[in-house]
Amino acid sequence: EADIYQTPRYLVIGTGKKITLECSQTMGHDKMYWYQQDPGMELHLIHYSYGVNSTEKGDLSSESTVSRIRTEHFPLTLESARPSHTSQYLCASSEAGRIDNSPLHFGNGTRLTVT
Amino acid sequence: GNSVTQMEGPVTLSEEAFLTINCTYTATGYPSLFWYVQYPGEGLQLLLKATKADDKGSNKGFEATYRKETTSFHLEKGSVQVSDSAVYFCALINYGQNFVFGPGTRLSVLP
Repeated sequence: EADIYQTPRYLVIGTGKKITLECSQTMGHDKMYWYQQDPGMELHLIHYSYGVNSTEKGDLSSESTVSRIRTEHFPLTLESARPSHTSQYLCASSEAGRIDNSPLHFGNGTRLTVT
Repeated sequence: GNSVTQMEGPVTLSEEAFLTINCTYTATGYPSLFWYVQYPGEGLQLLLKATKADDKGSNKGFEATYRKETTSFHLEKGSVQVSDSAVYFCALINYGQNFVFGPGTRLSVLP
């Protein structure tokens, strides 16, 4: 039973379009993350947030941007989609603070195809 | 820095075979260790975890023991089923840092 929701599940869009991938969680978690998963399965952290009004870039450089205006919501935006953005995008959340062994909770992902 | 290495896949087994997926890590201090599983078309799910040396995590017949002396956290299951076919990720987290994932190991179980 998912407590973290991503929409849409699948998106096919043309080059140059602006897109927003939605992610919401109902667990009250402070930390949220976006991962990009390539076809070889490897996960790459592209953005994360410690809480409201906090956003940080991850290990993999990305042309996307994120915002965190509400605790439960962490959308990812691409201003101008390109075929190189074709990938699976996974959103996750975890408890923050000193509970550093708390696990990540993942959504089911958005599979983006840019034509 | 922190890193996780997993055995390369794909791993193909027959139903009821014994499974081992090796995982070793490099980290300073005392990380917590995790195994996640990703079924086709889904996100990752926590399978099991261990937070200190010699801890054994277990769930759904899977087990892994935190071995600090060998910096390992190998995943095992005594008898796999077709429904265990998935991608398995070993991961660690260290205090104040983000999760570090291994590259994933794809498991296929044949009936």
